[in-house]
Parts: sequence; C-alpha cells; structure tokens
Amino acid sequence: EAGVAQSPRYKIIEKRQSVAFWCNPISGHATLYWYQQILGQGPKLLIQFQNNGVVDDSQLPKDRFSAERLKGVDSTLKIQPAKLEDSAVYLCASSSDRGDTQYFGPGTRLTVL
Amino acid sequence: AQKITQTQPGMFVQEKEAVTLDCTYDTSDQSYGLFWYKQPSSGEMIFLIYQGSYDEQNATEGRYSLNFQKARKSANLVISASQLGDSAMYFCAMREGGRGADGLTFGKGTHLIIQP
Repeated sequence: EAGVAQSPRYKIIEKRQSVAFWCNPISGHATLYWYQQILGQGPKLLIQFQNNGVVDDSQLPKDRFSAERLKGVDSTLKIQPAKLEDSAVYLCASSSDRGDTQYFGPGTRLTVL
Repeated sequence: AQKITQTQPGMFVQEKEAVTLDCTYDTSDQSYGLFWYKQPSSGEMIFLIYQGSYDEQNATEGRYSLNFQKARKSANLVISASQLGDSAMYFCAMREGGRGADGLTFGKGTHLIIQP
C-alpha cells in the first residue's frame, strides 16, 4: 500500500512570494491533516479535512495560508505572501477516519529568504 | 500550560540497553489517545504505538511498549534492546476527545542517540 505522497520535497523562495504544496493521502483515507513543524519543535496542526470539508482550521493563519481538498482526495496548501517565519517543514498526514491513527508523508521543507 | 511535556531534550544510550523516554500530558477530557512517533533525520514521522485512555492494558508493539500511568498523566515509551537504527527524534502526541476534531498535539521531542 502506497504511503502519503507530498511534493515538492524542498522549496526555497524569497519573502513575499507565494508557494504551494501538494499532498496525496493513502488511498481510501477520508481524513487529511496539514501540520507545520518549525526547527526544534514538534508539529503543529494547521488544518484538518474530513473528505472535502474543513473540520478544524483554528490554527491556520488565514490572512496568508489557504488549503483545499476539492474532490476529497488530494490537497493543496498555499502560502501567499510568505514570511521569514514560515520557514518550516510542512507535513501532510491522513487517517482512514476521524480518530484513527495518522500516517505522515515525507514533508516539504520550505526555506524563506 | 504545555499539553504534552517531554523533559529529555537528548539522550545517549548504549546499544542493546533498554531506553525509557518520558512523556507527561495535561487534559481535562475523559476520552483521549496517546501516540508515539519516530522521526529519523530523513524527516518522515513514523507511527510507533498508541494507547487509548480507556485501555486497561499497556500497549505493546514489538520492541516498543507504552508505560501508561493514568493517575500520574504519564505515557512513557520503553524501547527494549536498543539498536543503532533507533537513533532519531521521538515525539509524544495526544488526541483529545470531545472537541469534534482529531488533530494531534505534539511535545517538543527527545533526540535519542544509540552508541555502539
């Protein structure tokens, strides 16, 4: 069974530019999560989807971050405009349903210069 | 207040020894779940073990076991017979029930280094 796929693996941008990350969850998984992991810290939840609906986006900085999961499968996380403090690893995770074990992708390492 | 506290920023352990990684948690929910993940230098978070708040037995998965002490709100990970490949960051995480959302809250992690 294929795991969670993410791309790109690495991205370097200038501040004020925009960037998008893509995630493909494990086949059949209804729940998808985006986490931000700043260097030296544990991951922090940004947004949770159940199928194509948002369950929790209370920690998403909505003035610059947006996310969508239009067909209930793939998801895209966008940052526009990026700030220096957005430098982090962005992890996508999925679970078969709410409350089940979450499985993580390899992450996208973002550097904002 | 921290919801998940991991008090050991780093640990050095000799190969083949047992390792205990500490985790304490804070929640007022009756229903919650506790998880341990391993993050090697490659960056991927690997699920190790899960303990539900109503589980009466401590969880075990191969060389991993979770020492769950509910009254003390602790959920320590025990790795038996450590191997060089166990060197990694280890994160304790909690899913709280009753909020309608299932995102995990993570601790700051413990960097475990296994020495030959």
